[in-house]
Amino acid sequence: DARVTQTPRHKVTEMGQEVTMRCQPILGHNTVFWYRQTMMQGLELLAYFRNRAPLDDSGMPKDRFSAEMPDATLATLKIQPSEPRDSAVYFCASRMGLAGGYEQYFGPGTRLTVT
Amino acid sequence: AQTVTQSQPEMSVQEAETVTLSCTYDTSESDYYLFWYKQPPSRQMILVIRQEAYKQQNATENRFSVNFQKAAKSFSLKISDSQLGDAAMYFCAYNLKGNEKLTFGTGTRLTIIP
Repeated sequence: DARVTQTPRHKVTEMGQEVTMRCQPILGHNTVFWYRQTMMQGLELLAYFRNRAPLDDSGMPKDRFSAEMPDATLATLKIQPSEPRDSAVYFCASRMGLAGGYEQYFGPGTRLTVT
Repeated sequence: AQTVTQSQPEMSVQEAETVTLSCTYDTSESDYYLFWYKQPPSRQMILVIRQEAYKQQNATENRFSVNFQKAAKSFSLKISDSQLGDAAMYFCAYNLKGNEKLTFGTGTRLTIIP
């Protein structure tokens, strides 16, 4: 069945290292979201794309985070340089356009630990 | 700005019993969608149920049903015949029609007592 996939599922890295997380949205979904989940802040929207174009990345720390969609089947979230406060679970979600049912389907998440 | 409030940080229920999770939201709009998501210990966010604001009929999915009170801006989730696999965090979410963003509540942790 169709699902959002994310890699890696877990990542442990040292402070200052570059981290890249990848997401494959459900085929046919044209809107892709990146979220971050922490105990303190809950679920935060970092950025989202429609038809591969970035629409809003106001939730992202601009100096170290970047998000791209090189093609319709791949979204990436990059952190450079990583810091311990970036430790969180990062979720990708996708959905059909506004003509669809509005429900977002989430990937399994990438648990990032920065030491 | 729209806000979603889940006033019960934790709930527990005996297995096979019924439990209701509360959610209220604040909006001045009339056309929107409401969702309940489940997040078990695996961390996967799973869509449980969806309600369209212009539909008066409450949505139902097997053992899960909602009580949607539009005037009161209330959207509670009822789980019937609770099972051990229902143990999870449950998030209520709001999406204004025509807008891309989901607004989440802070979640309710549901424990099932065997």
